[in-house]
Amino acid sequence: QTVVTQEPSLTVSPGGTVTLTCASSTGPVTRDHFPNWFQQKPGQAPRAVIFSTNNKYTWTPGRFSGSLLGGKAALTLSGVQPEDEGDYYCLLFFGGSQLLFGGGTKLTVL
Amino acid sequence: EVQLVQSGAELKKSGESLKISCQAFGYNFPTSWIAWVRQMPGKGLELMGIIFPADSDTFYSPSFQGHVTISADISLATAYLQWSSLKASDSAIYYCARYDYGEPSQVDFWGQGTLVSVS
Repeated sequence: QTVVTQEPSLTVSPGGTVTLTCASSTGPVTRDHFPNWFQQKPGQAPRAVIFSTNNKYTWTPGRFSGSLLGGKAALTLSGVQPEDEGDYYCLLFFGGSQLLFGGGTKLTVL
Repeated sequence: EVQLVQSGAELKKSGESLKISCQAFGYNFPTSWIAWVRQMPGKGLELMGIIFPADSDTFYSPSFQGHVTISADISLATAYLQWSSLKASDSAIYYCARYDYGEPSQVDFWGQGTLVSVS
């Protein structure tokens, strides 16, 4: 059974830079997994921020960027703001009908 | 503007049936997949299954196969998630989301969530 793994928690200072990663138990994450990233704040629905590795939505803050890093998908926040605090989930695609979420990363801005 | 509007919170008892809905606005409903996602209290996101409304092609994640039924009515631009016999462990928030399969593949718009509480 495939497992998608993220860091359980990360802490970053305001104005700092942090990278969240997303790994697959089947091997390196590639562009063919079309990594998607979502931000979720308490009491809110998830919001998409990155699709297909590094593509932003019109509402995605410019300080968010996606990439592949060392066989993992990565979400980097540069110049972190207090409002970036929340849970972040990655989603990988393993063929049309198999989509798997990572366990999520709780990002604290402190 | 794309929107997914879900039905309201439900308070049910074990053994009861339930059907919640997700109505789509602002795009061609039949030609994008809809994903249903569970979030148990304090936990992460779990994909339950997906449906392609145009032909009702449906796939379930192994953990949910046989426990829920996903359906869609294109005349109402609405997708559904239903249980025939709820358990207390079904208490969670359920989200629908639009899933576009292709190059690229993306899950872009989400409903506001439906809270299901089972006692």
